[in-house]
Amino acid sequence: SAVISQKPSRDICQRGTSLTIQCQVDSQVTMMFWYRQQPGQSLTLIATANQGSEATYESGFVIDKFPISRPNLTFSTLTVSNMSPEDSSIYLCSVYGTGSTDTQYFGPGTRLTVL
Amino acid sequence: DQQVKQNSPSLSVQEGRISILNCDYTNSMFDYFLWYKKYPAEGPTFLISISSIKDKNEDGRFTVFLNKSAKHLSLHIVPSQPGDSAVYFCAANAGGTSYGKLTFGQGTILTVHP
Repeated sequence: SAVISQKPSRDICQRGTSLTIQCQVDSQVTMMFWYRQQPGQSLTLIATANQGSEATYESGFVIDKFPISRPNLTFSTLTVSNMSPEDSSIYLCSVYGTGSTDTQYFGPGTRLTVL
Repeated sequence: DQQVKQNSPSLSVQEGRISILNCDYTNSMFDYFLWYKKYPAEGPTFLISISSIKDKNEDGRFTVFLNKSAKHLSLHIVPSQPGDSAVYFCAANAGGTSYGKLTFGQGTILTVHP
């Protein structure tokens, strides 16, 4: 299984500011995914991060609000821009199973609170 | 439009007994299903998966059953242990693998009492 780390683990931010979340994987992976879990809700896919190309966003999510970078096969960032209290969520990155495992593995998440 | 539903927000079970967590889906295109366990302040941990070509998959104490005609799957944990206390999510995907967008249910909080 892949070992995934995220930074920061949590943060409290002011309305109108931006936060960049980092996701690091211990092995090269083709696809990385960014999910959001709002309070009391299920996990929802924000976008798929491809190395060397633009991220693919799900309906309801736009690049201006959630810009994503994927500079190499082990790293990605998600920025939450111009934050409002509605952005308070847990943000998680995941990777498609490395090797022969057909599974998505998740990072520990970043708990974001916007005041 | 909740395509994957876990209708029981919580379940309480005695240690040693069976825990049964249920999940229903509406999208006929889903053909690969996964269960994840999540502890507070941690990311979801993969437990077990099943493809629509099967109706049962076992891994140790965990068994997943799939009823395609009813669009229903369940996770059985036998015997249940206090360390199993966590939030359990079912997830579904189309395309026969877990590659791509996973659609999650809202989770069931399992509490196993000693």
